[in-house]
Amino acid sequence: GAVVSQHPSRVICKSGTSVKIECRSLDFQATTMFWYRQFPKQSLMLMATSNEGSKATYEQGVEKDKFLINHASLTLSTLTVTSAHPEDSSFYICSARDLPGRTGETQYFGPGTRLLVL
Amino acid sequence: GQNIDQPTEMTATEGAIVQINCTYQTSGFNGLFWYQQHAGEAPTFLSYNVLDGLEEKGRFSSFLSRSKGYSYLLLKELQMKDSASYLCAVRSLANSGYSTLTFGKGTMLLVSP
Repeated sequence: GAVVSQHPSRVICKSGTSVKIECRSLDFQATTMFWYRQFPKQSLMLMATSNEGSKATYEQGVEKDKFLINHASLTLSTLTVTSAHPEDSSFYICSARDLPGRTGETQYFGPGTRLLVL
Repeated sequence: GQNIDQPTEMTATEGAIVQINCTYQTSGFNGLFWYQQHAGEAPTFLSYNVLDGLEEKGRFSSFLSRSKGYSYLLLKELQMKDSASYLCAVRSLANSGYSTLTFGKGTMLLVSP
């Protein structure tokens, strides 16, 4: 089956620093990748949709200058949390959608990255 | 906008059958997904429905009625490891041609011995 990896799985940083999270599709090409955030006991909230070779589309309320997304290839998307603050502490999950026609455009999720900002 | 409703919690006993319902209101409907999420982990894909009817996959089945904006996930022969949150997600196609996936709040299922 399709596998999506995320790195790092867990990160602790000081307030004001930037953190980069990588999302890779390992055995398929993903024209579209999605970034979600999940706070404890809450549902997944879509932050942005990332299409390879173009600018990401951010959901309402998500600051694009704070959450920088780069989707430079069909297998890699990165999310950079700039000047992180304690309220940015959350579980960040990426998902990748395979090319149309393969499996009904199912989204496959990465294992998530737990970010703790002190 | 989109609205997805599913029960917050459900309990069942090992070996039993449980049905988790999901109702939705959306424009540009383009498919409904069910995901399983254990605490502290990312969701894992369970099923996908885009046409009306029942999709069966082992102990898990999913049903969709597009006219009623309704789906359910049926879990048979429940096992303790099935204790998890079950997320209903609706894919919608925007005029731009891009699709997005909106998740419900999830149903926490607790399976007891």
